[in-house]
Amino acid sequence: EIVLTQSPATLSLSPGERATLSCRASQSVDTYLAWYQQKPGQPPRILIYDASKRATAIPARFSGSGSGTDFTLTISSLEPEDFAVYYCQQRNIGLTFGGGTKVEIK
Amino acid sequence: QVHLQESGPGLVKPSETLSLTCTVSRGSISSGDYYWSWIRQHPGKGLEWIGYISYSGSTFHNPSLRSRVSMSVDRSRNQFSLTLNSVTAADTAVYYCARETYTSTWQYYFDSWGQGTLVTVSS
Repeated sequence: EIVLTQSPATLSLSPGERATLSCRASQSVDTYLAWYQQKPGQPPRILIYDASKRATAIPARFSGSGSGTDFTLTISSLEPEDFAVYYCQQRNIGLTFGGGTKVEIK
Repeated sequence: QVHLQESGPGLVKPSETLSLTCTVSRGSISSGDYYWSWIRQHPGKGLEWIGYISYSGSTFHNPSLRSRVSMSVDRSRNQFSLTLNSVTAADTAVYYCARETYTSTWQYYFDSWGQGTLVTVSS
């Protein structure tokens, strides 16, 4: 099973700041990596797939990068609605999710 | 826009069987362009993929749950279902159904989710 390790577990930032979230895979997943956002009481929402492609209607402030084992989700300038939990997910071998990073208001 | 809705008992006794159904509306489950998955989330925890089923009925499950999981699809009702046997308190979670789409370059992702249903395992 491919294990995805997300860091940090919690990121405390202010609106307007830049958020950088990391996802590391235990073995290469090529670019078969997606990122999701989840708010309390809601299902996850797709943000990024193919490591760097924004899903439909996702704002340009969200960007993804990386390949192989190291990936990054960047939110260039945090809006109030961006404070949430973010998960990475791989689909290269089987399907697994990372443990999540909570982006909270500082 | 496709809509997914989970249904089933909110309380299941230990050692019994958990059964959930996902009803798909505003879209056809018979489209070959998607896989139909179950994902769960333990209270306050992360996401765990359970497995998927295709419109034709082929399935693939998380190895950690494989021996207890079965899935089925009912194209006439536009539904797919999950059965999880021999449940314990560790199976208490919010269960989501989700649609997985894929691109021309075989990039897969979940583009639509149900709202989720909490299933509690308790006597």
